[in-house]
Amino acid sequence: EAQVTQNPRYLITVTGKKLTVTCSQNMNHEYMSWYRQDPGLGLRQIYYSMNVEVTDKGDVPEGYKVSRKEKRNFPLILESPSPNQTSLYFCASSVGQGIGYTFGSGTRLTVV
Amino acid sequence: GENVEQHPSTLSVQEGDSAVIKCTYSDSASNYFPWYKQELGKRPQLIIDIRSNVGEKKDQRIAVTLNKTAKHFSLHITETQPEDSAVYFCAASMSNYGQNFVFGPGTRLSVLP
Repeated sequence: EAQVTQNPRYLITVTGKKLTVTCSQNMNHEYMSWYRQDPGLGLRQIYYSMNVEVTDKGDVPEGYKVSRKEKRNFPLILESPSPNQTSLYFCASSVGQGIGYTFGSGTRLTVV
Repeated sequence: GENVEQHPSTLSVQEGDSAVIKCTYSDSASNYFPWYKQELGKRPQLIIDIRSNVGEKKDQRIAVTLNKTAKHFSLHITETQPEDSAVYFCAASMSNYGQNFVFGPGTRLSVLP
């Protein structure tokens, strides 16, 4: 089944403890992206990647890192999480430019 | 950068009526406009999209219209059903530059039986 898989689905962590949210897609898509969703703000792009080793900042990249060492994987790294990073995070992939993203199931992150 | 506004923020309609959600964008270079539906607790799902070289696109009960001059686009749902109840998001992007989709804040549609 074609899908975007994120793990974990739920995560509670403490301020400052490094964490990684994994994302993998099995559709051989070129583009991958991370979004965060907060009430009243919609979906805001954190980072996106156009291919292996090619990434670019979205609208809210501060406090996040990404890497794209393999085409299928695009992990999101929070080096020192803070409470304002509590949010619902979605990974997404797309086969090409100008084609809609397919979203993963989401990761609900709480930083205390 | 691009800014996308979306109205209304909430919309209630009677089953069988039509629903219209409107979005405006700021960057005239944007040329791809997808719409997503997000049911409670689920992921956003692409329901329809339109490119700037097209003025209207239909898919069964769903249609999207685009006015490039005025920089706005709209989602039209006809013969609404209870399963249409969800949050709908519009987005805008420049398809010749990466995949930086900018989303609107969303519209919560409730279809009343």
